Amino acid sequence: EAQVTQNPRYLITVTGKKLTVTCSQNMNHEYMSWYRQDPGLGLRQIYYSMNVEVTDKGDVPEGYKVSRKEKRNFPLILESPSPNQTSLYFCASSPLGAPEAFFGQGTRLTVV
Amino acid sequence: AQSVSQHNHHVILSEAASLELGCNYSYGGTVNLFWYVQYPGQHLQLLLKYFSGDPLVKGIKGFEAEFIKSKFSFNLRKPSVQWSDTAEYFCAVELAGSQGNLIFGKGTKLSVKP
Repeated sequence: EAQVTQNPRYLITVTGKKLTVTCSQNMNHEYMSWYRQDPGLGLRQIYYSMNVEVTDKGDVPEGYKVSRKEKRNFPLILESPSPNQTSLYFCASSPLGAPEAFFGQGTRLTVV
Repeated sequence: AQSVSQHNHHVILSEAASLELGCNYSYGGTVNLFWYVQYPGQHLQLLLKYFSGDPLVKGIKGFEAEFIKSKFSFNLRKPSVQWSDTAEYFCAVELAGSQGNLIFGKGTKLSVKP
């Protein structure tokens, strides 16, 4: 089954404790991205990657890092999480040239 | 900067009422347009999309949208809503050539009363 898988689905952590949210897709898509969803703000892009070893900042990259060592994986790293990063995070993938995005199930992160 | 506006934050309808959700974007070039739906507690799912051709696009579950280039609009419609359509709806725009970078509106929450 074609899918985008995020882990964990729910995470509560403390300020400053590094964490990683994983994202994996099995559709051989080149393009992957991370969004955060906040009430009243919709989805805002954090980072995106057009292929292996090619990443770039989205609209709200501050406080986040990503890597793309393999085509299928695109982890989101919070080196020192802060409470304003409490949000619902979505990973998405799409093939280049066909912009329909497939979304993961979401990760609800709470930073206390 | 390019932006996508969804005019209604929250829409409340009774079952069988007709629905129209507005979406406008600010970009003069070629765009690809999408509507996504997010049911409570779930991820975003594609409802319909427009790349080119007939500006009236039909999607899943009886939804349709009309692209009006002169108005920079891509409004979503459904003739008769059901309780199961209760969800949040997001309009999204991809600038042609941006290789998949979607710009989302802030979303419209639809509540359908049984």
